[in-house]
Amino acid sequence: RKEVEQDPGPFNVPEGATVAFNCTYSNSASQSFFWYRQDCRKEPKLLMSVYSSGNEDGRFTAQLNRASQYISLLIRDSKLSDSATYLCVVLGSQGNLIFGKGTKLSVKP
Amino acid sequence: GAVVSQHPSRVICKSGTSVKIECRSLDFQATTMFWYRQFPKKSLMLMATSNEGSKATYEQGVEKDKFLINHASLTLSTLTVTSAHPEDSSFYICSARDYFQGYTFGSGTRLTVV
Repeated sequence: RKEVEQDPGPFNVPEGATVAFNCTYSNSASQSFFWYRQDCRKEPKLLMSVYSSGNEDGRFTAQLNRASQYISLLIRDSKLSDSATYLCVVLGSQGNLIFGKGTKLSVKP
Repeated sequence: GAVVSQHPSRVICKSGTSVKIECRSLDFQATTMFWYRQFPKKSLMLMATSNEGSKATYEQGVEKDKFLINHASLTLSTLTVTSAHPEDSSFYICSARDYFQGYTFGSGTRLTVV
């Protein structure tokens, strides 16, 4: 089983749509989780950390289910500028970041 | 915020030559630097972890003699791809960890070996 698994997509949605991404991780001892955004041929950029109680940042909501080892990201009112690849990331035991393969989102007018 | 400067951003080299990639932390001290590689449509894969002043720790399957990492100061880490082959063509990216800023990524280097 891969350490971090995501649905690769692509997700093609119209502007204004709500879209949800899911992710599972294999190490039950993992403590820190993040969502990153990566634009084509660019470095990843931190979108938000994921907290146990769930957290929201504007149109973005992240949730964590430790029992199921499951992380989600919800994007409301999608914008064209949201088009990117969204990476589910788990902090490894060595202090490194472990990346999922990413889910590609394409928001259309 | 913290900035990591990585260069070159793009390099094309001939098979058999060596290429050096530099990452500098501009306004903070990076005690730990992580080097990742990303193939098209694949996830970023950790290659090695380097701590200032000590030898890098390589992930399984990464040849330490081929990918030379030097972290001689708190603001500079380098990755040298030696005797490059076309299969080394990839996107290489560094990430520095700072106690206050968390993880900061360089802008990446796209290496093409012809």
